[in-house]
Amino acid sequence: EVQLVESGGGLVQPGGSLRLSCVASGFTFSSYWMHWVRQAPGKGLVWVSRIKTDGSSTNYADSVKGRFTISRDNAKNTLYLQMNSLRAEDTAVYYCTSGRELDYWGQGTLVTVSS
Amino acid sequence: QSALTQPASVSGSPGQSITISCTGTSSDVGGYDYVSWHQQHPGKAPKLMIYDVTNRPSGVSNRFSGSKSDNTASLTISGLQAEDEADYYCSSYTSSSTWVFGGGTKVTVL
Repeated sequence: EVQLVESGGGLVQPGGSLRLSCVASGFTFSSYWMHWVRQAPGKGLVWVSRIKTDGSSTNYADSVKGRFTISRDNAKNTLYLQMNSLRAEDTAVYYCTSGRELDYWGQGTLVTVSS
Repeated sequence: QSALTQPASVSGSPGQSITISCTGTSSDVGGYDYVSWHQQHPGKAPKLMIYDVTNRPSGVSNRFSGSKSDNTASLTISGLQAEDEADYYCSSYTSSSTWVFGGGTKVTVL
């Protein structure tokens, strides 16, 4: 059974940092592109970032470029999102999802940016 | 990176068919056959329903079908059932090697 389990969310002050993790199981993690997608409370899905299978290529939404860094450790089957200079508008549930099709999704982890 | 355009809401009676549109540009929907559709029930994670415009993942009901014409993709739900009431999002790969979602459509079963 495919599982994606996110962790690392929480309450952080504006300007602060947080690192999210997503542990994958049930599929060959190293063969899949991986993404982060977020959803602000009561709002729609927004694509955040994507990383290639071997970590050699990454892309970001304009809203997070220069502040967020996506990475992965294929030996640990784990995807990461380092979030710096956090703003109130970054408050959202953050999901990890797999593949070009965005096929499997985790349950999400809530990040709240507030003073 | 503008969001794809979806209707805010669509409704239908049980047994009817409904169609949700997803309009983009030649740089995303119109340029690639990499459109997916996702279903999301309240408080739950999204679930992939259609990928690569027309393909259904294993386990997804054949009542769900996808199509595309020019810059607009569509999701059709046939034989509408109460359990289909949810939010639906389209997504597409873009020419910038990024992905973009639609704003979401709330499906109500009357």
